[in-house]
Amino acid sequence: DSGVTQTPKHLITATGQRVTLRCSPRSGDLSVYWYQQSLDQGLQFLIQYYNGEERAKGNILERFSAQQFPDLHSELNLSSLELGDSALYFCASSPHSVQETQYFGPGTRLLVL
Amino acid sequence: ILNVEQSPQSLHVQEGDSTNFTCSFPSSNFYALHWYRWETAKSPEALFVMTLNGDEKKKGRISATLNTKEGYSYLYIKGSQPEDSATYLCAFPSNTGKLIFGQGTTLQVKP
Repeated sequence: DSGVTQTPKHLITATGQRVTLRCSPRSGDLSVYWYQQSLDQGLQFLIQYYNGEERAKGNILERFSAQQFPDLHSELNLSSLELGDSALYFCASSPHSVQETQYFGPGTRLLVL
Repeated sequence: ILNVEQSPQSLHVQEGDSTNFTCSFPSSNFYALHWYRWETAKSPEALFVMTLNGDEKKKGRISATLNTKEGYSYLYIKGSQPEDSATYLCAFPSNTGKLIFGQGTTLQVKP
């Protein structure tokens, strides 16, 4: 158990809908990272938040947004969902920076029908 | 565009065999090199974070070396066991704050 929690574990929704994925980092970690793993793809970095502020951005679509709240939990919002958004979404946390070990949550599997 | 390459893509070995695989990364602007182990139906688990040229880290039967000047790291598994079957990922933090993952080496250890 990494100490990072993600909810829900599974999500099935329809195209055009909007979903919110939630992540609670390890106790004491200030950085939260979001990753997407699509079929036959590696882990793709989406976005990083540090202590409530956006710190780094990867290949995140404009339909996707994220935020980190004062209690350090983070939410990833995916809107106008398309079939191709079906993937495993991981959240990870680290104490501060991307140079440190990241601890991954169990992931949320999203299926868009 | 930063590239992190891993080879081989997949590996099948017999129980008891020792094995190794490679991660190549950009040798400029080096901060750290991460290794993760990712078992099927689980989430990636950190093995090592390596920061110094010539560094060698060990965790049980798994060890890793780092050459920052030439931009490569080797991961070694001594006496592979079926429970070592997993995908091994290396990742390179870029100077823009992104952690760039390689595609991984998938190891299958046959009993």
